[in-house]
Amino acid sequence: GAGVSQTPSNKVTEKGKYVELRCDPISGHTALYWYRQSLGQGPEFLIYFQGTGAADDSGLPNDRFFAVRPEGSVSTLKIQRTERGDSAVYLCASSLQGSTGELFFGEGSRLTVL
Amino acid sequence: GENVEQHPSTLSVQEGDSAVIKCTYSDSASNYFPWYKQELGKRPQLIIDIRSNVGEKKDQRIAVTLNKTAKHFSLHITETQPEDSAVYFCAASKETGNQFYFGTGTSLTVIP
Repeated sequence: GAGVSQTPSNKVTEKGKYVELRCDPISGHTALYWYRQSLGQGPEFLIYFQGTGAADDSGLPNDRFFAVRPEGSVSTLKIQRTERGDSAVYLCASSLQGSTGELFFGEGSRLTVL
Repeated sequence: GENVEQHPSTLSVQEGDSAVIKCTYSDSASNYFPWYKQELGKRPQLIIDIRSNVGEKKDQRIAVTLNKTAKHFSLHITETQPEDSAVYFCAASKETGNQFYFGTGTSLTVIP
């Protein structure tokens, strides 16, 4: 596709439920990032993939959060037993050059946990 | 790890005036400093970046300066226009690192 695509754009769920957020990066971009953005804040790092492997998952807040990228393209961020504090916009970005090149962001998935 | 601080958090300027946003970083190994613009409800988009081997970079009305000794970098927007109104984020990263560290953002309002 022309850009980074994220689905769903909006997700409302109840506390305790499981959610999956999907990211389809720009074709050929081996680097993929997940960030979380709360209102009035800058993007907060969650996890970085280089190819299929998670090169850095140090930003995942706890073991309820997990992400995969099995074929080195599409990535899914999975959140178990959602809590109200998980409500935020989850941004995915891809890059050709990893940590020293332009990040191309998706429109984000707005998660609301009631 | 890296710590990026950004000031001011909000900035209002008259159309045609200049706007300056400042960021500091803590990790002297950081060597790439991009600036992203995020319009309301939209995705962040890169507007300009600078690498540590240069001190200044310009692109039309936008410029970025870098002071490696003091570990700070700034975004300068001249002749501001209403369409410059947005939230601007600075970031820092390094070649050996795995992530970008973002500032907390500056909400710029250009008053017509």
